[in-house]
Amino acid sequence: EAGVTQFPSHSVIEKGQTVTLRCDPISGHDNLYWYRRVMGKEIKFLLHFVKESKQDESGMPNNRFLAERTGGTYSTLKVQPAELEDSGVYFCASSQDRAGARGGPRAKNIQYFGAGTRLSVL
Amino acid sequence: KQEVTQIPAALSVPEGENLVLNCSFTDSAIYNLQWFRQDPGKGLTSLLLIQSSQREQTSGRLNASLDKSSGRSTLYIAASQPGDSATYLCAVTGTYKYIFGTGTRLKVLA
Repeated sequence: EAGVTQFPSHSVIEKGQTVTLRCDPISGHDNLYWYRRVMGKEIKFLLHFVKESKQDESGMPNNRFLAERTGGTYSTLKVQPAELEDSGVYFCASSQDRAGARGGPRAKNIQYFGAGTRLSVL
Repeated sequence: KQEVTQIPAALSVPEGENLVLNCSFTDSAIYNLQWFRQDPGKGLTSLLLIQSSQREQTSGRLNASLDKSSGRSTLYIAASQPGDSATYLCAVTGTYKYIFGTGTRLKVLA
């Protein structure tokens, strides 16, 4: 079974340009998450999709960031226009359930992470 | 607000030593705690996951413990090897998002 796939693996752009990152979750996983790690800081949550709906986008830094998940399959994260401080590693993760989900045994919220996209804004 | 702290921030040890990495969190209401390793330029590799009802997990030379009441977890690495050199991250989970610590950079010297 394929894991979480992200591309590109590395993107180098100039300040002011636009970049789109893509994430393909594990097949059948309704939950998709974006995280990022900027230089010297911890990995931080950006947002959470359940299928095509945004459940929580409280971690998105500003309106230059736009995430979409049309059809509830793959997701894109667009940065427009990119700034120097956007440089870092962007991780995507997916999970089948979230902890405490209704309708069955307590789900465990085990997230599987992609290899990340390293974004360098010059 | 959940905060996760890892100590030490960096560690350098000679090959063969046993070592302990520490992770502490401020809110004991967690579902899981997970330890990852990250190699330079690479993604996250899951090492061990401890569910909230468990006290520890073991995999090969790795052993992770969890004490929810005190908000602490430790990752024990036995007989360290140069290949263990990496950044080790712990993360706690609520109903959905993971909260990560800043990591411990480990270097094992041959």
